[in-house]
Amino acid sequence: LAKTTQPISMDSYEGQEVNITCSHNNIATNDYITWYQQFPSQGPRFIIQGYKTKVTNEVASLFIPADRKSSTLSLPRVSLSDTAVYYCLVGEPRDDKIIFGKGTRLHILP
Amino acid sequence: EAQVTQNPRYLITVTGKKLTVTCSQNMNHEYMSWYRQDPGLGLRQIYYSMNVEVTDKGDVPEGYKVSRKEKRNFPLILESPSPNQTSLYFCASSSRSGQGNYGYTFGSGTRLTVV
Repeated sequence: LAKTTQPISMDSYEGQEVNITCSHNNIATNDYITWYQQFPSQGPRFIIQGYKTKVTNEVASLFIPADRKSSTLSLPRVSLSDTAVYYCLVGEPRDDKIIFGKGTRLHILP
Repeated sequence: EAQVTQNPRYLITVTGKKLTVTCSQNMNHEYMSWYRQDPGLGLRQIYYSMNVEVTDKGDVPEGYKVSRKEKRNFPLILESPSPNQTSLYFCASSSRSGQGNYGYTFGSGTRLTVV
């Protein structure tokens, strides 16, 4: 399992685009990159998953450069309700263990 | 609705009194897992199961048992709970069949207090 490094915390304002970058220098060929969102006392919620280039869904975009050693989660026009902890995970789909790091605590200000 | 259901949501118990936290998923997922979350320690994996009758230890298995007799259910058993098992517990499931994404679906959590 590749280790990931994310900023511990970030602040932003409502209506802005927020980009959270995750470093994963030891990513393996078969590894995917997955991001989760967690609100206090709730289970993590799957946001987006990608392997390379760019992935977009109704919630976020995921940018992955060609070397795949990092990835950036982009949240467009955030609102107060986007205040949460965001986790970046890297692993192979058939991994038996998944390891959550400390995540990035995102605080959206009015 | 596709979901992972945990019960109970809240539980207060006394030291040594056996308890079971249930987990059920309706997505026909092969993989299921239990985590505990503690302040400053993040999410730590307790046990996981790759399929029916296949279980294995995660990072913090001491004091816990699991079973996987059916694909949809993965109960967490605390034979003799102790105060250091006071925590927020999450069950999760994921597909391993090669279809769709490999993201994990988590339950809403069980907040356990052992006094």
